Amino acid sequence: DTGVSQNPRHKITKRGQNVTFRCDPISEHNRLYWYRQTLGQGPEFLTYFQNEAQLEKSRLLSDRFSAERPKGSFSTLEIQRTEQGDSAMYLCASSAQGSTDTQYFGPGTRLTVL
Amino acid sequence: QKEVEQNSGPLSVPEGAIASLNCTYSDRGSQSFFWYRQYSGKSPELIMFIYSNGDKEDGRFTAQLNKASQYVSLLIRDSQPSDSATYLCAVAPGYSTLTFGKGTMLLVSP
Repeated sequence: DTGVSQNPRHKITKRGQNVTFRCDPISEHNRLYWYRQTLGQGPEFLTYFQNEAQLEKSRLLSDRFSAERPKGSFSTLEIQRTEQGDSAMYLCASSAQGSTDTQYFGPGTRLTVL
Repeated sequence: QKEVEQNSGPLSVPEGAIASLNCTYSDRGSQSFFWYRQYSGKSPELIMFIYSNGDKEDGRFTAQLNKASQYVSLLIRDSQPSDSATYLCAVAPGYSTLTFGKGTMLLVSP
C-alpha cells in the first residue's frame, strides 16, 4: 500500500493558462475525491468518483474546472483559464466502498496563479 | 447549508496535559465523524473516526460523539510537542463527501 499520490506537488502558472493535476488513489480504493483548501480554511469538496462515474460535483466547481477518471483508476483535474483566486492546495482522497468509507488524503498539489 | 464549527484557537497546553478539541455540526443527518491532523504545509492525516454515540479510544486519543447535541470532541492525553498541529473535524451524511470545519490549532509547549 503506497498511499495516495499526486503530481505535480507544486505548480506555478500565469493567469489565463490551463493546468492539469493527477491523482493516483490507493490501489484497492474505488472512490476518489477532490478537495480544495485555502489558507486558514478546511478542505472544501469539489467532486467525487465511484469507479469511473462522476457522482457528485460541488456548486463551487465552475465551468472552468473538469475532472475525469476514465478507467476508474487515476484521476485528473483540469483548470482552464486560471485565475488568481484558483491559488490553493488541491487535495485528492480515496476510500473503499463498503468499508467505513474512510478517506485517505494524498500530499496535495499546491497551485500558485500569478 | 451544512456547517461544521470549530474554535480556531490556538489552544495552548503544556506537555503532558490533556488537550480537548471541540466541534459542532448543523446537519442532523450526519452519520460519520472524523478527526484529521494537519501539519503546516502538509495534507490532512486521519486520526480517528466515530459513528456511534459515546466514546472511542485509540491510544492517547479519545473521540466523543453526542448526536443529540450535535457535538463531537477529541481528547489528546499526555500531549506532546509533536502533537502541535491543526486538527480538522469532518462530518458526512454517510458514505459520501466530507464537510470540514476550519480547524483548531493546537500548540503543545515543552
